Amino acid sequence: GQNIDQPTEMTATEGAIVQINCTYQTSGFNGLFWYQQHAGEAPTFLSYNVLDGLEEKGRFSSFLSRSKGYSYLLLKELQMKDSASYLCAVMDSNYQLIWGAGTKLIIKP
Amino acid sequence: GAVVSQHPSWVICKSGTSVKIECRSLDFQATTMFWYRQFPKQSLMLMATSNEGSKATYEQGVEKDKFLINHASLTLSTLTVTSAHPEDSSFYICSARPTTSDYEQYFGPGTRLTVT
Repeated sequence: GQNIDQPTEMTATEGAIVQINCTYQTSGFNGLFWYQQHAGEAPTFLSYNVLDGLEEKGRFSSFLSRSKGYSYLLLKELQMKDSASYLCAVMDSNYQLIWGAGTKLIIKP
Repeated sequence: GAVVSQHPSWVICKSGTSVKIECRSLDFQATTMFWYRQFPKQSLMLMATSNEGSKATYEQGVEKDKFLINHASLTLSTLTVTSAHPEDSSFYICSARPTTSDYEQYFGPGTRLTVT
């Protein structure tokens, strides 16, 4: 079966760095996405990785290792507004997104 | 660019009535649109994939006669929840894939449905 695993909840301090991990097992791979979702709102796109390596975009970076079925989202210089759920999703061989359950990130002052 | 709208943003209806939710891609054309539902503190659940001009593909366990999907144009898809019941209360989110891409998806703001 297809499976995406990510931690349910994480807590970090304002100004610090946090890494949210995601492991996956899917039928085929056409890329991995990270989305941010604030409570009561729709997800917003953060990053897309299809090749191994690190993609940096401002305070956010995303890493992919296809051989390990592993990705992480790195958030630097955390701000209170970064408190949200972070969703990992993998696009399978049919170009359908398989979603993880999301990681709720709590930022403390 | 790449804006998707949903209407209404929230709706309250009585049990047994039907509710229609619209999803529009405002500045791009979308051959494919996706409908998701999300219960509190849970991840997105794909309900169906709709392709312009053809029948929607429903995920296992989703009743096609209850959740009617129409994708009549490259910028509009509608989801109608028929004979709604309280257990249909949820957050419904659509997303649209531009005709120019195999992987991009842009999400609408969601519709919160409450059935009383």
